[in-house]
Amino acid sequence: DIQMTQSPSVLSASVGDRVTLNCKASQNINKYLNWYQQKLGEAPKLLIYNTNNLQTGIPSRFSGSGSGTDYTLTISSLQPEDVATYFCFQHNSWLTFGSGTKLEIK
Amino acid sequence: EVQLVETGGGLVQPGRSLKLSCVASGFTFNNYWMSWTRQAPGKGLEWVASITNSGGSTYYPDSVKGRFTISRDNAQNTLYLQMNSLRSEDTATYYCTRDWDLWGQGVMVTVSS
Repeated sequence: DIQMTQSPSVLSASVGDRVTLNCKASQNINKYLNWYQQKLGEAPKLLIYNTNNLQTGIPSRFSGSGSGTDYTLTISSLQPEDVATYFCFQHNSWLTFGSGTKLEIK
Repeated sequence: EVQLVETGGGLVQPGRSLKLSCVASGFTFNNYWMSWTRQAPGKGLEWVASITNSGGSTYYPDSVKGRFTISRDNAQNTLYLQMNSLRSEDTATYYCTRDWDLWGQGVMVTVSS
C-alpha cells in the first residue's frame, strides 16, 4: 500500500502569508494527487485534483504542484476563512489519504 | 442542486449490521463511480469502498473486505453500504463521494454495547 505523509501536522501563519503544505508518497503516484479542505464539522471539499488543477469555484489563491513522490499545496495569501484541516489523497494505486495538516491563524 | 444525502446511521451493537444509503440529485448518477469514505472521531479519512458506474465491479480495502458491501441502484439514484459484523473500530462518520469531487454531509455510525 502507498503511504502518504503530510507535513507539518500543524501550521500557524498570519493573514496574508504565503503558506505551503507538503505531502510525500511512499512511491511514485504519477501526479494522481488531490487536495481537500475540511472545516470543523463539515465534509471535505475538493480544492485541487491531479496535482495542479483547480476545482471549479475554488479561489485562485490555492495552487498545487509536484511530481513523483513529492507534492505541495500553496495558499498565496492566507485568509481567515482558510482555517481548516487539509488532506492530500492519492488515487494512483488503490486509494490513500494523508493524515492532514491543521492550518491555524497566528 | 447537485448533492449527496446520506441516511441510515445510528448506534449499533458490536457484531450487528447496518445499511447506509446515499441519494444523489442534480447530476447523472449512472455516469459516475461512487465511493464511501469514513472518518473516526478526531481522526483522518479512510477509504471504505468503491463501485463502478454500472455497478459491475466493487473494491474494498482489507480493513472491511468480507464485512462491507457497496451497491447501487441507478434507477433510484441511490448508493448503499451494507455493513456486517460491525466492530468498535468501525465507529466513524461515513461519507458518500462522487468520483472524489463531491461529498455528502456524512452520517454517524457508532458501534458500542
